Amino acid sequence: TQLLEQSPQFLSIQEGENLTVYCNSSSVFSSLQWYRQEPGEGPVLLVTVVTGGEVKKLKRLTFQFGDARKDSSLHITAAQPGDTGLYLCAGFNTGTASKLTFGTGTRLQVTL
Amino acid sequence: KAGVTQTPRYLIKTRGQQVTLSCSPISGHRSVSWYQQTPGQGLQFLFEYFSETQRNKGNFPGRFSGRQFSNSRSEMNVSTLELGDSALYLCASSLGTGEEKLFFGSGTQLSVL
Repeated sequence: TQLLEQSPQFLSIQEGENLTVYCNSSSVFSSLQWYRQEPGEGPVLLVTVVTGGEVKKLKRLTFQFGDARKDSSLHITAAQPGDTGLYLCAGFNTGTASKLTFGTGTRLQVTL
Repeated sequence: KAGVTQTPRYLIKTRGQQVTLSCSPISGHRSVSWYQQTPGQGLQFLFEYFSETQRNKGNFPGRFSGRQFSNSRSEMNVSTLELGDSALYLCASSLGTGEEKLFFGSGTQLSVL
């Protein structure tokens, strides 16, 4: 069973702080996605990373895929209350029955 | 364009009953995947349908089944409900061509009493 462990599990910070969320696995993924889910809604895709070592930026969010394609990180600069939500990493490996494996999730709360 | 529509939004059932959930994908999308989300287990893959055929299946008991119609709409059925089936059931649609973006619906919150 492929597992994606995210850390930290919970994070409560104040507006303006920086944070990093980690997504780790012992398995190799062909690509990895990050989603954000708000209460009462389904996850919404933020980014897909495909190449080992790849770095993608989305405004204040920076995503990195590990060189070995087993881990990823999400860094948020100057967090805002609108960043509050559940962050999920998810890995694709077409060799498994579970097409997209989701991580355990990181719940982020940003307060004023 | 319209997003993924799941009905009903909320459902309350008792143990032993069965339930059918519905998912209408984005127009043109041929793949529908179903996921179960619980606080303890997170998001777990149930199955995926593509062009009316089940293409992938997760590790859930046979009480969980699904189907897809010719218009790509999908239904998920859970028979003989158990308390542990209480969860948010999410469906996601995609073109079905490979490792791609999934578009999720808002989910059906099922409570089993």
